[in-house]
Amino acid sequence: DAKTTQPPSMDCAEGRAANLPCNHSTISGNEYVYWYRQIHSQGPQYIIHGLKNNETNEMASLIITEDRKSSTLILPHATLRDTAVYYCIVRVGYNFNKFYFGSGTKLNVKP
Amino acid sequence: GAVVSQHPSWVICKSGTSVKIECRSLDFQATTMFWYRQFPKQSLMLMATSNEGSKATYEQGVEKDKFLINHASLTLSTLTVTSAHPEDSSFYICSGLPRTSGSNEQFFGPGTRLTVL
Repeated sequence: DAKTTQPPSMDCAEGRAANLPCNHSTISGNEYVYWYRQIHSQGPQYIIHGLKNNETNEMASLIITEDRKSSTLILPHATLRDTAVYYCIVRVGYNFNKFYFGSGTKLNVKP
Repeated sequence: GAVVSQHPSWVICKSGTSVKIECRSLDFQATTMFWYRQFPKQSLMLMATSNEGSKATYEQGVEKDKFLINHASLTLSTLTVTSAHPEDSSFYICSGLPRTSGSNEQFFGPGTRLTVL
């Protein structure tokens, strides 16, 4: 069962930063937060993951609150190609390999 | 790196027939592969976990006799939908967990769209 809640949709202007929130209030100390996105009719694409510290890569930044109960994915300069459904996933603690997807956030990047 | 392919990308079959979907990790070895199903406008639902050389484990509510999974090598897992019916029409997606992955990041295939007439 998914352990995350996300807003169903968000809009963002092209070129602006997109900030996608995720709540995971029941996360355990050894559970990672992963972010994937799915562009229509394709397989999910890995974006970033983290445990406690903030993380940054070439695609995005991940900000995790100190209590780890929520996180925010930041796309610094959104483009039209970033329009997708973004999934925040907490890897299940007692079975480290499984991902249970929540409903995700549909990000609409507008010109 | 870390590419997963699926074949076929789409398939149409008649009700009552069986369909096999292949999932291959092209540039890594995957001791574990996962199979998901996604209905239109819904999220991905985990169906089963496939471990190389052993029986797959199925999520609650998924019929193991209907969805046969074989993971015969470190680069190939297959999902066979037996006696398919229209309600089995869906988007089937696999993912692979690299053998050497320390972060347990899954790499997903492009998906297979199954339509049962």
